[in-house]
Amino acid sequence: AQSVTQPDIHITVSEGASLELRCNYSYGATPYLFWYVQSPGQGLQLLLKYFSGDTLVQGIKGFEAEFKRSQSSFNLRKPSVHWSDAAEYFCAVGGSSNTGKLIFGQGTTLQVKP
Amino acid sequence: DTEVTQTPKHLVMGMTNKKSLKCEQHMGHRAMYWYKQKAKKPPELMFVYSYEKLSINESVPSRFSPECPNSSLLNLHLHALQPEDSALYLCASSQESRAAYEQYFGPGTRLTVT
Repeated sequence: AQSVTQPDIHITVSEGASLELRCNYSYGATPYLFWYVQSPGQGLQLLLKYFSGDTLVQGIKGFEAEFKRSQSSFNLRKPSVHWSDAAEYFCAVGGSSNTGKLIFGQGTTLQVKP
Repeated sequence: DTEVTQTPKHLVMGMTNKKSLKCEQHMGHRAMYWYKQKAKKPPELMFVYSYEKLSINESVPSRFSPECPNSSLLNLHLHALQPEDSALYLCASSQESRAAYEQYFGPGTRLTVT
């Protein structure tokens, strides 16, 4: 069965420190992978996506993610975190190619210390 | 412009009321989605419309009734809801309902059922 696991429910980092959020997926075919961010009471904003090609993808707000097929991972990174990055982060994989159904991880809450 | 709009932003309704949520996009997308999100949880897919036809109903109770009047509009009609239906309702759209196309989310409607 297709699934996405975000092992860290809650992460706290200091402002200016680097960040890595983990995401592992289980999917039989070539995955379509996404990272979304959600600020409190808001909708989801797409940070970046991976479909094929270069395994290191750049996104908005200074985020990047690396696809590692051997580890079934798609970890999100940022070299220097800003206080405004505090939010909920969701990793998702595109499910059946003909339905558009997204399979989300449980999310990671990022807290940023001043 | 990658904007999906939703109205109203907040809605409080009694269990005997009838209300509707509205979603609109002008990106020329042919797939639109309704999600339900509880606090600290990922979004749960409810319905998918593809080319104005309902393509997925995730076994949603009949007290939720979706409607797609045209390719830019998506409604969710609510009737006889239960308190456990209180949640953030998110609308999303994508170019087509396939995994290869990223979904763009609206800001959501915060629904409270009393």
